[in-house]
Amino acid sequence: SQQGEEDPQALSIQEGENATMNCSYKTSINNLQWYRQNSGRGLVHLILIRSNEREKHSGRLRVTLDTSKKSSSLLITASRAADTASYFCAAPFNTGGFKTIFGAGTRLFVKA
Amino acid sequence: EAQVTQNPRYLITVTGKKLTVTCSQNMNHEYMSWYRQDPGLGLRQIYYSMNVEVTDKGDVPEGYKVSRKEKRNFPLILESPSPNQTSLYFCASSSAGTPGYTFGSGTRLTVV
Repeated sequence: SQQGEEDPQALSIQEGENATMNCSYKTSINNLQWYRQNSGRGLVHLILIRSNEREKHSGRLRVTLDTSKKSSSLLITASRAADTASYFCAAPFNTGGFKTIFGAGTRLFVKA
Repeated sequence: EAQVTQNPRYLITVTGKKLTVTCSQNMNHEYMSWYRQDPGLGLRQIYYSMNVEVTDKGDVPEGYKVSRKEKRNFPLILESPSPNQTSLYFCASSSAGTPGYTFGSGTRLTVV
C-alpha cells in the first residue's frame, strides 16, 4: 500500500517552463516531504511541509499541502535542464514512529 | 562532511550466499532505514530503526535482517539471497527533531 502516490508518472517540458507534480496520500500525516533523485543516485531531500502549513517556498520550489484532500503539489518554476530527475513525495505515518512510505515518483525531463 | 555511507556500491552474488550491506552515518541521527528501489515500484521500506536496539519491519521485510547495536551503524543482512532480491538498496538516516532523510549513494545488488 502506497502512502504517497505521484502524478503524473512522467513529464516532459521545455527549459524555462514550470513543472507541477502532484502527490496523494492515504492516512493522516505530521509532514510531507519531497525528494529528488538523479538517475540511480541517492535521493536528496528538497523540502518539507508540515501538516499545519498550506504553502512553502524554497528558491524555485513551491509546495502546497491540502490535508482535507490528502494531497500535495510541487511546483518548479523556470525549469532548467539540470532539474531533469525523478521526484518523490514521502509521507511518514502519523504514529510517532518512522515508517515512511515513498511513491513511485514523477520522472521530469527538461529539454534545453 | 555529513553523510550516510553504504558499502559496497555494487555486488553480484549467487543464490543462497549470505551477504551484508553496511550502512554508517556520522550525524548522530536516531532514525535509520533501509529501502529497496525497483522499476515502477518506487522505494519500499524494508526495515527501520528508531534508535539503538529498536528496529521494526517496513513493508517488505521478508528475507532480510537488520541490527542496530551502535547508533551510527545499521547493516542489512541477507541470510540466503534469492534472485527476487536483485534491486537497488538505499540506507537513510534522520534526526528525531528534524524530519527529512539523508540518503546513502545506494548499493546495486544482483543475485544470480
